[in-house]
Amino acid sequence: GAVVSQHPSRVICKSGTSVKIECRSLDFQATTMFWYRQFPKQSLMLMATSNEGSKATYEQGVEKDKFLINHASLTLSTLTVTSAHPEDSSFYICSVPDARDTEQYFGPGTRLTVT
Amino acid sequence: EDKVVQSPLSLVVHEGDTVTLNCSYEVTNFRSLLWYKQEKKAPTFLFMLTSSGIEKKSGRLSSILDKKELFSILNITATQTGDSAVYLCAVGYNNNDMRFGAGTRLTVKP
Repeated sequence: GAVVSQHPSRVICKSGTSVKIECRSLDFQATTMFWYRQFPKQSLMLMATSNEGSKATYEQGVEKDKFLINHASLTLSTLTVTSAHPEDSSFYICSVPDARDTEQYFGPGTRLTVT
Repeated sequence: EDKVVQSPLSLVVHEGDTVTLNCSYEVTNFRSLLWYKQEKKAPTFLFMLTSSGIEKKSGRLSSILDKKELFSILNITATQTGDSAVYLCAVGYNNNDMRFGAGTRLTVKP
């Protein structure tokens, strides 16, 4: 069965609104989760590392005030796209490493469309 | 329910071996299947497949899609330790939906 879930699987929102994407680790607790965004030509970019109980670590060029990450518990991380614009339309995917960091499990992804 | 299943979940081989990774899917209105290689944190794009039976090749890596049986395979020949990574399969379907598999972790031992 699925190890990592994401909700919603797809969302359409209006420009200027905020949208929250959830990533849940179903089988084990995770102090770390990763958020990715898919760009044209199929490349995946690491956006940030979500850390339970502390601030997320953002990759260079990713606006922390725009992409708010909250690792609320050991099984849940949320990514909130604030004041969304059409250029934020993309596919967002999270991944969860296991406790030994030997396996990494990917969620099914969330398609965001900003109109 | 739309789903993408990769197998095996993990695989350990020795240098020089040939490996075959599998990705099966059940989606509505299939559009494309993509393979990625993930090392450390950032996946890199390998192939995109849209047509059955046409092999895509890049060096020691090749991939083919079977739209009748709903699966794709990724082959790696003469494996090297640098091939150790998680290999991800993703399927595009409907208008612009996409779903990722859980990945296959490949470990190549010297």
